[in-house]
Amino acid sequence: QKEVEQNSGPLSVPEGAIASLNCTYSDRVSQSFFWYRQYSGKSPELIMSIYSNGDKEDGRFTAQLNKASQYVSLLIRDSQPSDSATYLCAVIQGAQKLVFGQGTRLTINP
Amino acid sequence: GAVVSQHPSWVICKSGTSVKIECRSLDFQATTMFWYRQFPKQSLMLMATSNEGSKATYEQGVEKDKFLINHASLTLSTLTVTSAHPEDSSFYICSARRRRLAGGPAGELFFGEGSRLTVL
Repeated sequence: QKEVEQNSGPLSVPEGAIASLNCTYSDRVSQSFFWYRQYSGKSPELIMSIYSNGDKEDGRFTAQLNKASQYVSLLIRDSQPSDSATYLCAVIQGAQKLVFGQGTRLTINP
Repeated sequence: GAVVSQHPSWVICKSGTSVKIECRSLDFQATTMFWYRQFPKQSLMLMATSNEGSKATYEQGVEKDKFLINHASLTLSTLTVTSAHPEDSSFYICSARRRRLAGGPAGELFFGEGSRLTVL
């Protein structure tokens, strides 16, 4: 089992709809979770961090964490073509190591 | 967000030469810096973890004598790819963790712009 798993996609969503990205992790004691966005040829950009169970909202983005199910998700409301990118889920394991999922490629169709 | 600067952004070198990549945290002190490598259409793979003033911790399968990491200060880490070969061609990305607040969660990780290495 991979440490952090994501559906690689591609995931296609019409403009204006909600994009839902999912991630599961294997280390039950993990406490810190992040979503990064990566455009082709660029380095990752932090979108959201979440540490507690429940929802965390920031603008059009909502991160959801369920530690019992070892599941973290990212919702993007009112999707825009500029949201088209690869979204990386990342989990801190141990004291400091950040482990990434393989990323989900999201395409927003105008 | 915090700023991490990486230099050079791209480099082309001949096989057998060495290449140094710098990673600087510009507006915060980074207790830990990480070096990742990303091949096309793949995710980021952690190469090593670097703590200021101590030896880097390398991930399994990463040759420490080939990928030399120096973390001399709280704002600078360097990665040197020694005797580079074409298979070392990749996108190398550094990241820095802001110093953790007392009692707080592990600090967020901020990434440099990446360095694209092409070895001919």
